[in-house]
Amino acid sequence: EADIYQTPRYLVIGTGKKITLECSQTMGHDKMYWYQQDPGMELHLIHYSYGVNSTEKGDLSSESTVSRIRTEHFPLTLESARPSHTSQYLCASSELGTTNEKLFFGSGTQLSVL
Amino acid sequence: DQQVKQNSPSLSVQEGRISILNCDYTNSMFDYFLWYKKYPAEGPTFLISISSIKDKNEDGRFTVFLNKSAKHLSLHIVPSQPGDSAVYFCAASASRSGGSNYKLTFGKGTLLTVNP
Repeated sequence: EADIYQTPRYLVIGTGKKITLECSQTMGHDKMYWYQQDPGMELHLIHYSYGVNSTEKGDLSSESTVSRIRTEHFPLTLESARPSHTSQYLCASSELGTTNEKLFFGSGTQLSVL
Repeated sequence: DQQVKQNSPSLSVQEGRISILNCDYTNSMFDYFLWYKKYPAEGPTFLISISSIKDKNEDGRFTVFLNKSAKHLSLHIVPSQPGDSAVYFCAASASRSGGSNYKLTFGKGTLLTVNP
């Protein structure tokens, strides 16, 4: 069973605040991802990582940044939150090296910026 | 340009009947397809997948059919249960693009409601 955890589940914050969304997995997966999803829309990849000290931007441009200092941890940071950042943020992981791989998702963080 | 399309935003069926969710794709490089189920305020959970070397894959009440010539796949749920009510996302990947470029492309999802 997938063990990938995101905190917080819900976050309501004012404009201009700095926030960090946490994501941790206990499966030892090398690959980790951040997706952004709005209701009725597809999941958009915003960041991914293939291992420690590896981070890449995804298909959707995002003002957020990520870091990968430890294999199990892949936090996402917004330096100055804006209402346009309101969305659901989903973290996922998978094993490196498999061709037909499936992603395991966390429960997501629903972010609301006022 | 959307490469994975789920043209029905919603579908409503009666409990015990069959649910058929459809997905079309445009990228001929896609060779692996997955279905994810998502409840509100939760992350997607993997449901079933199919490789392009097959045209059918079955797992309990869930069956995925792939028609490569039509670039179309469908998910059948039989019999449908109220607990199946959720958003279903179709996703695709091109494994031949290489492991370092592996990415899943998602559709917009179909909201399935199974009425008791």
